[in-house]
Amino acid sequence: EAQVTQNPRYLITVTGKKLTVTCSQNMNHEYMSWYRQDPGLGLRQIYYSMNVEVTDKGDVPEGYKVSRKEKRNFPLILESPSPNQTSLYFCASSFLSGNSYNEQFFGPGTRLTVL
Amino acid sequence: LAKTTQPISMDSYEGQEVNITCSHNNIATNDYITWYQQFPSQGPRFIIQGYKTKVTNEVASLFIPADRKSSTLSLPRVSLSDTAVYYCLVVSSSSASKIIFGSGTRLSIRP
Repeated sequence: EAQVTQNPRYLITVTGKKLTVTCSQNMNHEYMSWYRQDPGLGLRQIYYSMNVEVTDKGDVPEGYKVSRKEKRNFPLILESPSPNQTSLYFCASSFLSGNSYNEQFFGPGTRLTVL
Repeated sequence: LAKTTQPISMDSYEGQEVNITCSHNNIATNDYITWYQQFPSQGPRFIIQGYKTKVTNEVASLFIPADRKSSTLSLPRVSLSDTAVYYCLVVSSSSASKIIFGSGTRLSIRP
């Protein structure tokens, strides 16, 4: 089944404790992206990647890191989480046509709480 | 990227046709319009995409006037399961730059 998977689905942690949220897709998509969603703010893009070893900042990259060492995986890293990073996080992927992306497929989401 | 403006919320009843309009005054020549649907605690799901005039698929129609400064998502004969948040996005066909979702339109369908 074609899908985007995220782990963990739920995480409660404490300020300053490094964490990684994994994202994996089995559709051979070039483009992958991370979003956070907060009440009343819609989805905001954190980072995106057009291919292996190619990443770029979205609208709200501060406090996050990403890596794209393999085409299928795009982990989101919080080196020192803070309470304002408490949010619902979504990973997404899509094919690229030339330089542009197509329909994005989203993962199920990771609900993160930082105490 | 062109900024989009949508109504914050809309209400309708089962069996009605619902039209959600999105304004994108600064849309560029290479941009196209994409709509997503999101249910609570789920990731958004692609609905429809278009560049100009009218596009129709099995779930919706998208109307884009000649000046392309706005677009209208049309949902025929809605049901309770169409209650969701709908996002209008303007995306570039020439570069995979960052994507802006905005706050979307919260559609509530009543029996």
